[in-house]
Amino acid sequence: GAVVSQHPSWVICKSGTSVKIECRSLDFQATTMFWYRQFPKKSLMLMATSNEGSKATYEQGVEKDKFLINHASLTLSTLTVTSAHPEDSSFYICSRGGDTEAFFGQGTRLTVV
Amino acid sequence: AQSVTQPDIHITVSEGASLELRCNYSYGATPYLFWYVQSPGQGLQLLLKYFSGDTLVQGIKGFEAEFKRSQSSFNLRKPSVHWSDAAEYFCAVGPNSGGYQKVTFGTGTKLQVIP
Repeated sequence: GAVVSQHPSWVICKSGTSVKIECRSLDFQATTMFWYRQFPKKSLMLMATSNEGSKATYEQGVEKDKFLINHASLTLSTLTVTSAHPEDSSFYICSRGGDTEAFFGQGTRLTVV
Repeated sequence: AQSVTQPDIHITVSEGASLELRCNYSYGATPYLFWYVQSPGQGLQLLLKYFSGDTLVQGIKGFEAEFKRSQSSFNLRKPSVHWSDAAEYFCAVGPNSGGYQKVTFGTGTKLQVIP
């Protein structure tokens, strides 16, 4: 069964509003989780590393004020897309690391209208 | 820096035909190598992985992949493709020390299966 649960699976929001995506580690206390974004017809790009109890580490070119990451507990990381615009429409997916592989959530399809 | 190249953006095969998806990687040492499949609207499912040992690894759904160090390749194969295999396939590389963490993905290969 799934070891990482992501919610919601899809969301449609109006331009200018904020959207929160949750990523839960179901079977393991994860001090670190990862957020990826998949652009249309392109690969998944790492956006940021979510660190429990401290600030997230963002990859170059990712706006930290636009994509707020909170990792308040060992089983939950959240990604909030603030003041969303149509160009933020994408597929977002989270993961947690393991000893020998990464485990991914189901992904969230965000559409900003 | 590590990188992954999947030279084929899109491949079409007939059902029952064999399949090979190419993957080349760049990494300073022997990496952990993975193949993931993403069905439309779905998340990622791990097909198989290579860490060490036997260079031919077997995965789920009848897939296999061969690690060739001399060619820096990790090509995915299946002897007979089924219509349900139509999906997008991602090759990925991860560091081989300190446990498994970040993954670097290739750009993906979209597989179309025709009757």
